[in-house]
Amino acid sequence: DSGVTQTPKHLITATGQRVTLRCSPRSGDLSVYWYQQSLDQGLQFLIQYYNGEERAKGNILERFSAQQFPDLHSELNLSSLELGDSALYFCASSQRSQPGEQYFGPGTRLTVT
Amino acid sequence: AQSVTQPDIHITVSEGASLELRCNYSYGATPYLFWYVQSPGQGLQLLLKYFSGDTLVQGIKGFEAEFKRSQSSFNLRKPSVHWSDAAEYFCAVLYGSNYKLTFGKGTLLTVNP
Repeated sequence: DSGVTQTPKHLITATGQRVTLRCSPRSGDLSVYWYQQSLDQGLQFLIQYYNGEERAKGNILERFSAQQFPDLHSELNLSSLELGDSALYFCASSQRSQPGEQYFGPGTRLTVT
Repeated sequence: AQSVTQPDIHITVSEGASLELRCNYSYGATPYLFWYVQSPGQGLQLLLKYFSGDTLVQGIKGFEAEFKRSQSSFNLRKPSVHWSDAAEYFCAVLYGSNYKLTFGKGTLLTVNP
């Protein structure tokens, strides 16, 4: 158990809909990272937050957004969902703004039908 | 752009046999290198990391990896594989000023009894 929690574990929704994925980092970790894992793209970095502020952006679509709240939990919002958004979404956390060791949550499996 | 190559998509070994998983990274400043393992339906677990210093690093579960700058490689090894090692293994690289972890496509390890 990494100490990173993600909810929900599974999500099934229809195209065009909007969903919110939630992540709670390990106790004491200020950085949160979001990754997308799909069969064709592999593991792709989406975005990083550090202590409430966006720190780095990766291959995140404009339809996706994220935020980190004062209690350090983070949410990833996916809107206007397409079939291709079906994937595993992982959250990870680390102690410092400079990423060293990242600890991954169990993931949320999103299925868009 | 930084990149990671894991040349072997799938490797099968017998229980008790030795294992080496290959990883090559794109040339750049001294990278931070990681190996993660993902069991079916699980998140990623950090096996080991290389930041600097001794080029042979020890990790959890009896794994070790050797950083070879001249070959831009960071291969993962284990002297005797156990059936519980069956999983997917990901090599990842992070450069000092870049917050993004870049993952390889992964190597799926099957262990035969």
